[in-house]
Amino acid sequence: GENVEQHPSTLSVQEGDSAVIKCTYSDSASNYFPWYKQELGKGPQLIIDIRSNVGEKKDQRIAVTLNKTAKHFSLHITETQPEDSAVYFCAASLIGQGGKLIFGQGTELSVKP
Amino acid sequence: GAGVSQSPRYKVAKRGQDVALRCDPISGHVSLFWYQQALGQGPEFLTYFQNEAQLDKSGLPSDRFFAERPEGSVSTLKIQRTQQEDSAVYLCASSSKGAGGPTDTQYFGPGTRLTVL
Repeated sequence: GENVEQHPSTLSVQEGDSAVIKCTYSDSASNYFPWYKQELGKGPQLIIDIRSNVGEKKDQRIAVTLNKTAKHFSLHITETQPEDSAVYFCAASLIGQGGKLIFGQGTELSVKP
Repeated sequence: GAGVSQSPRYKVAKRGQDVALRCDPISGHVSLFWYQQALGQGPEFLTYFQNEAQLDKSGLPSDRFFAERPEGSVSTLKIQRTQQEDSAVYLCASSSKGAGGPTDTQYFGPGTRLTVL
């Protein structure tokens, strides 16, 4: 089955700096890759997603890149702000198989003012 | 309501007790998922419903875990004879599309934190 590895497990940056989180997946059939942000005591919230027919997607300060050949995808956050501090999860799924998400282990991002 | 709701938010059970966790998905959402999230880990898939049909229960860890969605809306996850290793946050998510269609955003509830003593 699918396996998703996420790095780093913790990341500390200064406000205004960029943050990058990387994930690799094992099943080449996976074709949907969402990123979720989880704050303490809350459920995961989708922040951006990408499908395998595109290589990059941007939404304001957030971007995701996908390399299907290498089976890895990355989250890029620019101009980080203290409110970006949270745990971020990547996930992989196979469209048409019910949408079951396989999550990475999470990255705890801390943005210091 | 505007989002996915879950109840109770916190549940403490003695080992061996049965528990029932409720999920109210976003109105009209076809698909409903249950995930288990251990402390410091990512969510792990438990089971999936499309309307009232349970199409995938491959993630349920044992036959002590049972889920239902009899009318295609509210779902209940039941754990019988709870064990300490069942302690986790149980997350429910719903999406507007069903299997076979383009994957749609899964909207998560706040979760139920289960502690088994």
